[in-house]
Amino acid sequence: SQQGEEDPQALSIQEGENATMNCSYKTSINNLQWYRQNSGRGLVHLILIRSNEREKHSGRLRVTLDTSKKSSSLLITASRAADTASYFCATGINNNDMRFGAGTRLTVKP
Amino acid sequence: ETGVTQTPRHLVMGMTNKKSLKCEQHLGHNAMYWYKQSAKKPLELMFVYNFKEQTENNSVPSRFSPECPNSSHLFLHLHTLQPEDSALYLCASSRISVEVSGYTFGSGTRLTVV
Repeated sequence: SQQGEEDPQALSIQEGENATMNCSYKTSINNLQWYRQNSGRGLVHLILIRSNEREKHSGRLRVTLDTSKKSSSLLITASRAADTASYFCATGINNNDMRFGAGTRLTVKP
Repeated sequence: ETGVTQTPRHLVMGMTNKKSLKCEQHLGHNAMYWYKQSAKKPLELMFVYNFKEQTENNSVPSRFSPECPNSSHLFLHLHTLQPEDSALYLCASSRISVEVSGYTFGSGTRLTVV
């Protein structure tokens, strides 16, 4: 299947700790994106990494991509209670056909 | 506000009803999408429109009928739905080359079929 699969399904940490979520996929891709969703709302685009890139940063977010292992990770440093949300990876093999996984539910306890 | 507006936010309908979901964007995007999100399942891509032409129908039952009159508006017409169709329906838009900025999602319509 083309879609990404996030791991773990759920993650609970204390405020100030780092949170790492992983995404694996099966087919070759040209880009991978991470999204965040607060409960019952739409998804918000966080970061996009292209297949020829290995790492990207945006604020407290760090994304890595290993195309040889067909995997990506999202690291949130110094987590806050407001980071509590579901996080999804989306993989794309052509211009605008993106497939999403079931997400990782992150809970950050104050 | 993300720039993608979905109405209504909540909808309860009987299995014999006909209703429509509406999505509107004024971001200058040329592609629009419908996704279905059910609990603990991956988002399911339903339909893709590029320049108001349907380019993908992901094996969606005919009781879901999309309409894209222009690049800014997208509808999902619903009729004779089943209880298992209850879900959050998300609309998204993007530039044709999604690598530029990813998808922009609306807040969704929470649909309950009774």
